[in-house]
Amino acid sequence: AAGVIQSPRHLIKEKRETATLKCYPIPRHDTVYWYQQGPGQDPQFLISFYEKMQSDKGSIPDRFSAQQFSDYHSELNMSSLELGDSALYFCASSARGHSYEQYFGPGTRLTVT
Amino acid sequence: DAKTTQPPSMDCAEGRAANLPCNHSTISGNEYVYWYRQIHSQGPQYIIHGLKNNETNEMASLIITEDRKSSTLILPHATLRDTAVYYCIVRVATNAGKSTFGDGTTLTVKP
Repeated sequence: AAGVIQSPRHLIKEKRETATLKCYPIPRHDTVYWYQQGPGQDPQFLISFYEKMQSDKGSIPDRFSAQQFSDYHSELNMSSLELGDSALYFCASSARGHSYEQYFGPGTRLTVT
Repeated sequence: DAKTTQPPSMDCAEGRAANLPCNHSTISGNEYVYWYRQIHSQGPQYIIHGLKNNETNEMASLIITEDRKSSTLILPHATLRDTAVYYCIVRVATNAGKSTFGDGTTLTVKP
């Protein structure tokens, strides 16, 4: 079965640079969620989108922004990167009409040097 | 979202049933119980969810107490590949329902 696709899988950036992470949800899933998982920590919710509109917001820094496009894929844009942004970034998707269980992608490992 | 409490770690012998408990005493009437697991640095994997009835799928069974204040995830025949961090999450079933990952249970399946 098709799963959530995230790209790139690994990304290395320097401080103060920008990064863009992409997420392609499971076909026919209309909701996308972004999570950040720092080293040794649990995943933390950042933001979610339903039908291209922001549906919920967590502890997402102002330096980060995200959007969902008409084909339901989503992008997380990160600017002025800091060392503390080094983490795994997971995208998850869910489908309307079900119980909204979330299916996670493999993650993007961002390293800021 | 209701807060959950899980034991930090558990061991289980390979081939035996693994029973992972979760307390969610402040759960609201419209909140579901979801279970996910994360195998080292992989994306969390959905296992099962329920509202008030017991549920079973190909991966596991979920037993929810009648007062809904606690639940147990049962892996009937644990294998070494079931070694992971297991998260119990309580949230409403809507498209805006973020999953709040708390301190899960590290299950270690031993040969």
